[in-house]
Amino acid sequence: ETGVTQSPTHLIKTRGQQVTLRCSSQSGHNTVSWYQQALGQGPQFIFQYYREEENGRGNFPPRFSGLQFPNYSSELNVNALELDDSALYLCASNPDRSQETQYFGPGTRLLVL
Amino acid sequence: GENVEQHPSTLSVQEGDSAVIKCTYSDSASNYFPWYKQELGKGPQLIIDIRSNVGEKKDQRIAVTLNKTAKHFSLHITETQPEDSAVYFCAASDSWGKLQFGAGTQVVVTP
Repeated sequence: ETGVTQSPTHLIKTRGQQVTLRCSSQSGHNTVSWYQQALGQGPQFIFQYYREEENGRGNFPPRFSGLQFPNYSSELNVNALELDDSALYLCASNPDRSQETQYFGPGTRLLVL
Repeated sequence: GENVEQHPSTLSVQEGDSAVIKCTYSDSASNYFPWYKQELGKGPQLIIDIRSNVGEKKDQRIAVTLNKTAKHFSLHITETQPEDSAVYFCAASDSWGKLQFGAGTQVVVTP
């Protein structure tokens, strides 16, 4: 077990809706990263938060946004859902942004119809 | 940006044999190379990692080698067991921790 939890485990939404996914990191882990994993592919980096501020972003549009809270929890928000947003969404945490080892949660499976 | 290529996409081995997965990366600034194992319905689990100042690292039946000049790194699993069956991902990152993953290798260990 990595100590990283995510909720919900599964979610079904329709195109155009908005969704919020949640992640709880290990205590003391100040850095959280979010990844999108389409079926049969490797995870793709969405963005990273360090001490509640965005610390880097991958090639994802602004309708993907995030928040990190002082209690080591974080959120991924996706607006105006598209069919291609269907994927497994993973969060990963590490103690410090200079500490490369990232520990993944089990993911949230999102299906957009 | 970084691009990581991983081969093969599928690998079938007999129990007890060795398995080798190879990756290449493009960004010479990458300095950290983890390997993750992902079982069905679960998140990726770190199994071994290597940093750019080291050429080889071993942990029981698992070893990783890194050739910085050629920008290659490989995962070696010896004495494979049925529980080694999973999808394996290589990844590369620079110092601030954005992981770029390969496409994955489905490993099947047959008894």
